[in-house]
Amino acid sequence: EPEVTQTPSHQVTQMGQEVILRCVPISNHLYFYWYRQILGQKVEFLVSFYNNEISEKSEIFDDQFSVERPDGSNFTLKIRSTKLEDSAMYFCASSELPNTEAFFGQGTRLTVV
Amino acid sequence: AQSVTQLDSHVSVSEGTPVLLRCNYSSSYSPSLFWYVQHPNKGLQLLLKYTSAATLVKGINGFEAEFKKSETSFHLTKPSAHMSDAAEYFCVVRTYNDYKLSFGAGTTVTVRA
Repeated sequence: EPEVTQTPSHQVTQMGQEVILRCVPISNHLYFYWYRQILGQKVEFLVSFYNNEISEKSEIFDDQFSVERPDGSNFTLKIRSTKLEDSAMYFCASSELPNTEAFFGQGTRLTVV
Repeated sequence: AQSVTQLDSHVSVSEGTPVLLRCNYSSSYSPSLFWYVQHPNKGLQLLLKYTSAATLVKGINGFEAEFKKSETSFHLTKPSAHMSDAAEYFCVVRTYNDYKLSFGAGTTVTVRA
């Protein structure tokens, strides 16, 4: 069964460092998303991506964040200068169409120290 | 704007007894509704979805949910709980013209032997 895969599963980084979280969406999906879940809080939408551009982003997704589809299979989330409050579980998701179900990866737990 | 309220943060049931997880939503337009489950150290798995077809939706692992527009509810049920149902459950809404999913706060289910 096709699935969304994320790497790494856990990343520890120092405050101020750049991190790149990687995702491989399901191959025939066209819409890609990042969500995050800070410990004890709701899962929050960060950004959606379609046709090589951002289609929607939340207030959380400020200039420190960027997304990219560098080749035909990977979808990345970059945080330029991490802050303590960026510590969270980050989920990548993909869907065939914007109104079909989203399939989520296992998540990357980011810890900023 | 769309939002989801899960009425119980924690539900505890005995194995073999029914499970009821309550969810109310608000949405300006015709919503799509989903239930996702997250087992410990696992990703988010889709249990079932409602997308304007039958109001009673059957999902995986014996779960089902009923969409009630008059009550703006989408409660999740299972007739007989199994130990493997212990997990966190998220009710999720998306409006027709929106890319992003809005998550409820989650309900943690524990199953007693």
